[in-house]
Amino acid sequence: QKEVEQNSGPLSVPEGAIASLNCTYSDRGSQSFFWYRQYSGKSPELIMSIYSNGDKEDGRFTAQLNKASQYVSLLIRDSQPSDSATYLCAVTPGGSYIPTFGRGTSLIVHP
Amino acid sequence: SQTIHQWPATLVQPVGSPLSLECTVEGTSNPNLYWYRQAAGRGLQLLFYSVGIGQISSEVPQNLSASRPQDRQFILSSKKLLLSDSGFYLCAWSHQGGETQYFGPGTRLLVL
Repeated sequence: QKEVEQNSGPLSVPEGAIASLNCTYSDRGSQSFFWYRQYSGKSPELIMSIYSNGDKEDGRFTAQLNKASQYVSLLIRDSQPSDSATYLCAVTPGGSYIPTFGRGTSLIVHP
Repeated sequence: SQTIHQWPATLVQPVGSPLSLECTVEGTSNPNLYWYRQAAGRGLQLLFYSVGIGQISSEVPQNLSASRPQDRQFILSSKKLLLSDSGFYLCAWSHQGGETQYFGPGTRLLVL
């Protein structure tokens, strides 16, 4: 069973701070990694994908991948109350094209 | 651009009643299609996926079934709902062989 682990939170950060969300995975052969944002009562929406070790930046979001340590993280700079949501990590195991989703981390950004 | 639709948005059904949820995708052809369930406070559970018309793979044995009668249409069904079938049902699509999934708005099902 390929596993994707996330701390359920909630992670509470003040407005303007950096929010750091982490995810670990069990399948060392995994090649594709995704972060989704899910507002309460809504469906997940794709934020970023990352495939290579290192950092990938998109606006206020930075995804970081470390395959040797089997973790992927998402940094949100200048956090806003509108960033308050559950963030899902998804990892595609080796030999598959269907990602396994973590249970998500709840982020609360307070003014 | 591609769009994915699901209906109904919400549904309240009695135990033992049938179910039919529909998902359609626009703006792409021959997509992979997926049905997920998200129970309260839990992660996404993959129920079914399809790589083409009439081709259905089941991930979890249960009283649900899926069908793909047309290229961009995916249907989730049940003959008799259980209380445990309550949840948020999400349809997703990806390009054929692609790993990036895009989700529809979801159907919230409450079985009483």
